[in-house]
Amino acid sequence: DAKTTQPNSMESNEEEPVHLPCNHSTISGTDYIHWYRQLPSQGPEYVIHGLTSNVNNRMASLAIAEDRKSSTLILHRATLRDAAVYYCILSKGNTPLVFGKGTRLSVIA
Amino acid sequence: DTGVSQDPRHKITKRGQNVTFRCDPISEHNRLYWYRQTLGQGPEFLTYFQNEAQLEKSRLLSDRFSAERPKGSFSTLEIQRTEQGDSAMYLCASSPPSGIAPYNEQFFGPGTRLTVL
Repeated sequence: DAKTTQPNSMESNEEEPVHLPCNHSTISGTDYIHWYRQLPSQGPEYVIHGLTSNVNNRMASLAIAEDRKSSTLILHRATLRDAAVYYCILSKGNTPLVFGKGTRLSVIA
Repeated sequence: DTGVSQDPRHKITKRGQNVTFRCDPISEHNRLYWYRQTLGQGPEFLTYFQNEAQLEKSRLLSDRFSAERPKGSFSTLEIQRTEQGDSAMYLCASSPPSGIAPYNEQFFGPGTRLTVL
């Protein structure tokens, strides 16, 4: 499985945008880029995924570099409820997910 | 509540005892996954099923771990002769049939926290 690299932690002020980076330099052409997040004391939850083009949904936006070797999850307006561990994962489709340690996002009121 | 459910939510056992966890996936989800998560780490894949077929079990941590999904609905994960190192959160997830979409998100349950004394 191709690996991803994320910062261990990030901090954001409430109501400001947050850009969570992910490097995946060994990504293959058939790898999808997924983001999941895990709120305290809960199971992970899906955030967004993409292949080549940027993606938007009600939770976030995913910006994918042209060479696909990196991507950025964008939370447009962080709230206290967005404090969580965010995981960037590569997968070829409906296969088991390989989680790293993720980025722990703290949101300051 | 129509999400993935897991039972029990917490289990405390003594070393050497057997434990069994149950996962009820979202109705009509044909794929079911088991993961384990230790403190400070991301979830680690253990095994998964498509309907009643177990498609991957090489990642089960030892032969003390086994999983079943006999009728393609709920699943059980059993750990025999538990050890203190088995203490962790055990997560279950399900996803719908592939259909036309190449990717379907996994929906996770709240997990079962196991403590082995």
